[in-house]
Amino acid sequence: EVQLVESGGGLIQPGRSLRLSCVASGFTFDVYGMHWVRQAPGKGLEWVSGISTDSANIIYADSVKGRFTISRDNAKNSLHLQMNSLRPDDTALYYCAARRRGGDPFDYWGQGTLVTVSS
Amino acid sequence: EVVLTQSPVTLSLSPGERATLSCRASQSVSSSFLAWYQHKPGQAPILLIYGASNRATGVPHRFSGSGSGTDFTLTISRLEPEDFAVYFCQQYGTSPMTFGQGTKVEIK
Repeated sequence: EVQLVESGGGLIQPGRSLRLSCVASGFTFDVYGMHWVRQAPGKGLEWVSGISTDSANIIYADSVKGRFTISRDNAKNSLHLQMNSLRPDDTALYYCAARRRGGDPFDYWGQGTLVTVSS
Repeated sequence: EVVLTQSPVTLSLSPGERATLSCRASQSVSSSFLAWYQHKPGQAPILLIYGASNRATGVPHRFSGSGSGTDFTLTISRLEPEDFAVYFCQQYGTSPMTFGQGTKVEIK
């Protein structure tokens, strides 16, 4: 059974940092590009960041560029998102998602981890 | 970026009825790189349709996708009880990929 399990969310004050993790199982992790997608309360989904299979290609949404860092560890089937300088508008449910290639949809998603940025 | 607008926001139907969901793009979607997902509360979204009209592995035949350019449709021919959920579209042909706001299909 394919699983993507996110963790690391919580309540955090503005300006602080948080690190999200996503552990994959049930598929060959190192042949999938991995992404983070978020959904703020009452809003639609927003793509956040993506990383290629070998970590050579990394992209970010303008809204998080310079503050968030995506990384992966293929040996541990894990994906991470280091979030610095958090703002209230970063409050969202954060999903990790997997796709084989750039021209593919997401084959797999996790259930999400909630990040709440508030004082 | 490509803005995707889904309609209606909510669709109230009974089991056995036909559901027609719309996803309209602000500009043409490259090579029909348009997907549909089903999302139930507390669960991971599930890929239903990719390339505008191709069913993903294991997706029942009652789900079908159509359209090209800027107008796309997801049709559920006869609603089953397990089909009541939120459906959202995604375009993945132009960076950044973008998503529609979702259509909730609820039991009437």
